[in-house]
Amino acid sequence: GAGVSQTPSNKVTEKGKYVELRCDPISGHTALYWYRQSLGQGPEFLIYFQGTGAADDSGLPNDRFFAVRPEGSVSTLKIQRTERGDSAVYLCASSLDLGSGSADTQYFGPGTRLTVL
Amino acid sequence: ILNVEQSPQSLHVQEGDSTNFTCSFPSSNFYALHWYRWETAKSPEALFVMTLNGDEKKKGRISATLNTKEGYSYLYIKGSQPEDSATYLCAPEASTGKLIFGQGTTLQVKP
Repeated sequence: GAGVSQTPSNKVTEKGKYVELRCDPISGHTALYWYRQSLGQGPEFLIYFQGTGAADDSGLPNDRFFAVRPEGSVSTLKIQRTERGDSAVYLCASSLDLGSGSADTQYFGPGTRLTVL
Repeated sequence: ILNVEQSPQSLHVQEGDSTNFTCSFPSSNFYALHWYRWETAKSPEALFVMTLNGDEKKKGRISATLNTKEGYSYLYIKGSQPEDSATYLCAPEASTGKLIFGQGTTLQVKP
């Protein structure tokens, strides 16, 4: 079956603009995660969805960042008033989410490379 | 907040060499340890998920061990090949399932 897909693969925008990044998880996966990787660092957690609800949004850096998953499948990460520091690779992952501490494998998409000029 | 350290940061080896990397993490509140391989322009690929102290897992020429009491994991590659060139990431799993990644070890294997 298909893996996790993300669109667009690349996004170039100007400072102050609004962007949306989309993630299509593996069918049947109830858990969905967003991470971002800045240059020279490992991926950093942003938000975790269990079904339609955000179970942990502690990684969102500020209120310019928002994510939704209205039907429990596709998720959209929204960034308002983009800043140059938002430039990064935004990764999405999904898992079966068999329960807390069950060590589910998270399957990653190829990421969206966001560049804010 | 977990502090995950990976070493070395980068590594250059010749084809056929065996190599290993280290991942260290705080041993408290441990749930699982994940290893990923990430090649340029591709999705991070899951290699292993380990949970028990003393766990050893193997996938082809790649293997990993876990010590939860002292908070470290080793990843070994036997007989490195050019196609092993990638960034290897380790990530302890927090209670909510989120992964806390290290900065990665970038491996370059020269033919």
